[in-house]
Amino acid sequence: NAGVTQTPKFQVLKTGQSMTLQCAQDMNHEYMSWYRQDPGMGLRLIHYSVGAGITDQGEVPNGYNVSRSTTEDFPLRLLSAAPSQTSVYFCASSDTYNEQFFGPGTRLTVL
Amino acid sequence: KQEVTQIPAALSVPEGENLVLNCSFTDSAIYNLQWFRQDPGKGLTSLLLIQSSQREQTSGRLNASLDKSSGRSTLYIAASQPGDSATYLCAPRGDSSYKLIFGSGTRLLVRP
Repeated sequence: NAGVTQTPKFQVLKTGQSMTLQCAQDMNHEYMSWYRQDPGMGLRLIHYSVGAGITDQGEVPNGYNVSRSTTEDFPLRLLSAAPSQTSVYFCASSDTYNEQFFGPGTRLTVL
Repeated sequence: KQEVTQIPAALSVPEGENLVLNCSFTDSAIYNLQWFRQDPGKGLTSLLLIQSSQREQTSGRLNASLDKSSGRSTLYIAASQPGDSATYLCAPRGDSSYKLIFGSGTRLLVRP
């Protein structure tokens, strides 16, 4: 099993550009989520999904969109990047109420 | 709203010491609590998952305890090694939610 994979590892954007952060898991987990990690703010939940076709907002959803068309994939879209979205982004997955597994992260800089 | 506090924020110890990292949370209605390790510039590695019905969970030199009613968990590291240097995060999961709420972490340095 590859576990939770994220691409790209690093990305630099200009303000106003759009991009998609990819997340995939091969453990057949129902639950997937996106967090951002900022110095002094810890890890904060952006969006989550409890299964294909079902998504919901977390603590800091503004500026981000998600969709879940398959069990395996949960992409995070930035429609118009802003400097405030400079952060490290982590994707996580789990089955029902068990252990959550995290991907290696995407380091995003918005200039 | 669940709030998670980890004490101490940073810890520097000589190799071989036994350590206790503390985690407290304000809402005791949790389903489980997970401890993670994060190395600089890396992702989160799951260390231990302790269910709300459990009092302790052990993995090698690590032991996590949970006192749900008082909103506390501790991570005990026995015979610390320089390779244990990392940030340790605790994250309780709510009874009716999949969401993890993270503490700000304890940054541990084990000196050779």
